[in-house]
Amino acid sequence: GAGVSQSPSNKVTEKGKDVELRCDPISGHTALYWYRQSLGQGLEFLIYFQGNSAPDKSGLPSDRFSAERTGGSVSTLTIQRTQQEDSAVYLCASSFLGLAGDGELFFGEGSRLTVL
Amino acid sequence: GNSVTQMEGPVTLSEEAFLTINCTYTATGYPSLFWYVQYPGEGLQLLLKATKADDKGSNKGFEATYRKETTSFHLEKGSVQVSDSAVYFCALSPTGANSKLTFGKGITLSVRP
Repeated sequence: GAGVSQSPSNKVTEKGKDVELRCDPISGHTALYWYRQSLGQGLEFLIYFQGNSAPDKSGLPSDRFSAERTGGSVSTLTIQRTQQEDSAVYLCASSFLGLAGDGELFFGEGSRLTVL
Repeated sequence: GNSVTQMEGPVTLSEEAFLTINCTYTATGYPSLFWYVQYPGEGLQLLLKATKADDKGSNKGFEATYRKETTSFHLEKGSVQVSDSAVYFCALSPTGANSKLTFGKGITLSVRP
């Protein structure tokens, strides 16, 4: 596709359920980032992939959060046993070389997660 | 650690007014600095950037100058338009591979006709 695609765009779930959020980056982009956007908190870094490996996963808030990337393309962010504080917009971004390149990240429109 | 501080919002201006959005940063070394913009219903997109001290980034009439002495990267536009209504994020990235962007909290700009 032309841009970064995320699904679902909206997800409402009950506390304690698991959710999966998907990101389809721009074709050929080797770097992929997940961020979380909460009201009043700005954008919080979660994890960075270069290819299929994650050299920086320092932003994952707990062991309930995990992410993987396969084939150097699609990435899935999984949140287990969701809590109300996980409610946020989860943003995915991709880049041709990562920030060692020209520094531009291309963002998707996000997946809005609401935990009841 | 690295951090970015943006002025508190929201900001409401009349069309053709002058805009300044303040941004200061804390970082070791010489980071690259960015402004990203999020228009309603759209994903964030890069507005402008500067990679070294005294560089000026510019795009769509917006400008920001990398001031190392004041650790600032304030965003300015001489005459705002209604179409500039959006959320603006200041961000920094250390140099080198495997870097990530650290964002400020963002500020909402509303421009009245």
